[in-house]
Amino acid sequence: SQTIHQWPATLVQPVGSPLSLECTVEGTSNPNLYWYRQAAGRGLQLLFYSVGIGQISSEVPQNLSASRPQDRQFILSSKKLLLSDSGFYLCAWNGGALINYGYTFGSGTRLTIV
Amino acid sequence: EDQVTQSPEALRLQEGESSSLNCSYTVSGLRGLFWYRQDPGKGPEFLFTLYSAGEEKEKERLKATLTKKESFLHITAPKPEDSATYLCAVQGGSYIPTFGRGTSLIVHP
Repeated sequence: SQTIHQWPATLVQPVGSPLSLECTVEGTSNPNLYWYRQAAGRGLQLLFYSVGIGQISSEVPQNLSASRPQDRQFILSSKKLLLSDSGFYLCAWNGGALINYGYTFGSGTRLTIV
Repeated sequence: EDQVTQSPEALRLQEGESSSLNCSYTVSGLRGLFWYRQDPGKGPEFLFTLYSAGEEKEKERLKATLTKKESFLHITAPKPEDSATYLCAVQGGSYIPTFGRGTSLIVHP
């Protein structure tokens, strides 16, 4: 069966520090991978998605970046965090060539910038 | 631009009191409408996909229906463990789903 792993579960970082969040998927190949952010009381905001190794599409201009160094690995990074980067970050995957059969989400990372 | 509006924002029910959550949408070429359940501090959990008007799907006490403009998530005789935020999303021609802000459901024993 397919599983998705996301870590860490919680993270407290000072303003201006770097960030690296990792997401891996098991039990499938060539998944579509996504990074979402969910702010308190707001909907899910798509940050990045990837349909293959090295292929990254950005939905929102910001100080975050994403990379996909391996087929089932998706990394969210920042060189310098801002207070506004606080939120709940979710990784998700689905299968099929850009056909959405429903996402499977990771357990999320609660990021607090202080 | 695809849009999804969920109502109400919050809903409080007594155990056993049936009700419905609404998801109104506008989309260019609906490819699918999705319902998710999200517990506090966790990622959303996939519930249903509906593809065309008139379609219905059920899972335990939940039943999702779809028309050309909206979807309903009916909750029959809810239990406290049904308390969660329910998210609706639509996917059109852009291949990227658009999510609503969700309905927070609390079921009191």
